[in-house]
This record gives sequence, C-alpha cells and structure tokens, in this order.
Amino acid sequence: QVLLVQSGAEVKKPGASVKVSCKASLYSFTTYGITWVRQAPGQGPEWLGWISTYNGNTNYAQKFQGRVTMTTDTSTSTAIMELRRLRSDDTAVYYCARVRVDFDWTPYYFDSWGQGTLVTVSS
Amino acid sequence: DIVMTQSPDSLAVSLGERATINCKSSQSIFYSSDNKNYLAWYQQKPGQPPKLLISWASTRESGVPDRFSGSGSGTDFSLTISSLQAEDVAVYYCQQFYSIFPVTFGQGTKLEIK
Repeated sequence: QVLLVQSGAEVKKPGASVKVSCKASLYSFTTYGITWVRQAPGQGPEWLGWISTYNGNTNYAQKFQGRVTMTTDTSTSTAIMELRRLRSDDTAVYYCARVRVDFDWTPYYFDSWGQGTLVTVSS
Repeated sequence: DIVMTQSPDSLAVSLGERATINCKSSQSIFYSSDNKNYLAWYQQKPGQPPKLLISWASTRESGVPDRFSGSGSGTDFSLTISSLQAEDVAVYYCQQFYSIFPVTFGQGTKLEIK
C-alpha cells in the first residue's frame, strides 16, 4: 500500500516562507510524479503544480509562479514544496499526491494522497 | 483554463437509494487519439484527504465498491452511487486532467443522508 507522510502543521507570519515535506514509501518513487494541492477551509481543492521525480521538471499553476518551488530528493524518496511571501489567504491544508504518468511522463490523475499539512498564516 | 461545474452543490438521498452527481466541463475533455475522457472522481470525508474513486471517467479504482460508477463523454459526466450506504456521506469532486496546466476541479457536491 502506497504511503505518503507529510510534515507537521506550521504557523507562519505574513511574508514568511514555509516548507512542507512529503516522504513516499512502499512504491518506486521515480516512476510516478508528485503534485501539490491545497484546500482552504470549506473550499475545494486548488492545484499548485507538479514535479517529475524522474528529472525534476516542474510545472506550476500561474497563480503561484514566482512564489512556489517544488523539489525532490530521490535518495530519501521525499518531495518538498516551498511557498514564499505568505499571505493570510494562503491558510489551508496542503496535500501532496502521487501522480499517475504516461510512458512519456505526461501527468494524469492523483491516485494516492498524503494526510495533509495545515499551514496557518497569521500575524 | 477548463472550468468544471458540478451539480447539485448538495444532495440528500435515502439509504439504499440512488445518488447521481453531475459534472460539466467548459470544453471537451475527450481525446480522440486514445478514445479516452480525461476525468477523475474523488471522494473526501471530513478530516481526510481526497480519495480517488474513478479515472478515465468510468474506470473504478481497485477496492472501490461496485455501487460507484462513472459515465459520460465529451463535456458531460456523472458519478452514480447505485445504493447509498451510510459510509458514502462525503464531498465528491470531479477533476479534469485533459489540460494539465492547470489541472482543475469541480466545486464539490456534498452528499448527505435524507
């Protein structure tokens, strides 16, 4: 059974940065992508971007371009998402999820999810 | 961006009855080259992450009860629960992955017991 374990809750002040980690296990890390999705209280999921664990290529949602960075450490099967210049409306639960990909690394749907990390931005 | 619109926003169904949730995309998410609809359905229970139920509009994930089924093509899709069980109370989301930058979700449909 696939396991994605995320780092713990964070409280940050406006303007600060946050890093959320996602450690994968029980599958071959470099044969699936990793995506990050957030969910504000009472809202639907919002996609931040994704990263190829094969070559580190990333694609970010336009809304987060310049503020988000996604990386992976294949030696520890860990993905990390950093969000900078935090605002109060960044308060949300942040999820990592495993991405099913085609043979050419075209990303498809999200078949396993981490437990979520609550990031609270408050002065 | 492809906009996904679900209906209704909330739904109350009696135990054992059928529940149907609709999802409409702002443009076709059917790829003729592989004859597939690039749509997934997720279930989210309170305090939990979303769980993938169905991919490619109608392919049930392993372990998902067969009372869940997906249908539709092009721009109009449905998720049907044939006989509602108490454990099916959740919010359901559709998601398109035809245009992956960005991936987009529907606003969600809250399913409750009548």
